[in-house]
Amino acid sequence: DIQMTQSPSSLSASVGDRVTISCRATQTISFYLNWYQQKPGKAPNLLIYGASSLQSGVPSRFSGSGSGTDFTLTISSLQPADFATYYCQQTYSWPRTFGQGTKVEIK
Amino acid sequence: HVQLQESGPGLVKPSQTLSLTCTVSGDSFSSVDYYWSWIRQPPGKGLEWIGNIHNSGSTYYNPSLKSRVTISLDTSKVQFSLRLSSLTAADTAMYYCAGAAMSRLFGAIDMWGQGTMLTVSS
Repeated sequence: DIQMTQSPSSLSASVGDRVTISCRATQTISFYLNWYQQKPGKAPNLLIYGASSLQSGVPSRFSGSGSGTDFTLTISSLQPADFATYYCQQTYSWPRTFGQGTKVEIK
Repeated sequence: HVQLQESGPGLVKPSQTLSLTCTVSGDSFSSVDYYWSWIRQPPGKGLEWIGNIHNSGSTYYNPSLKSRVTISLDTSKVQFSLRLSSLTAADTAMYYCAGAAMSRLFGAIDMWGQGTMLTVSS
């Protein structure tokens, strides 16, 4: 199985900050990396697919980059609605696997 | 607009078998482009992919659960189902059904149900 490791596990940031979350795979997954946002009590929501493609309806302050084993989710200017937990997921091979999550909290 | 809705018992005793159903509204169920998936999340923890089924009937399961999991689909009822046997307290979680694009979106999950909470307790 491909293991996904996110860092950090949590972070505190202020509105307007630039936030970066990393995700690393234990073997190459090409561009098959997706990012989800989950708010308390809600199902996850797809933000980024294929490492860098913005899902329809997602604000442009979200962006993704990377390929192979190392990936990054960036929020260019953190907004109040962005305080949530973020998960990466690889869809390169079976079984599909998620990172452990990164919780973004208000500083 | 496609919606997914889970249904299930809520509370199950240890050693018993769980049966959950996901009803899909909209015309995507017959699409050849989706894997119909189950994902779970223990309270306060991260997401765990359980497995999925394609409209062709092909299935993929998480090896850690494979001996206890069966996913099936009923196209006439536009439903797909999860059976998980030999339950323990470790299976207590929110269970989500979801749709993962097979050849679009790099296989990402772009449809989610609201989730159904399962508690395993005597």
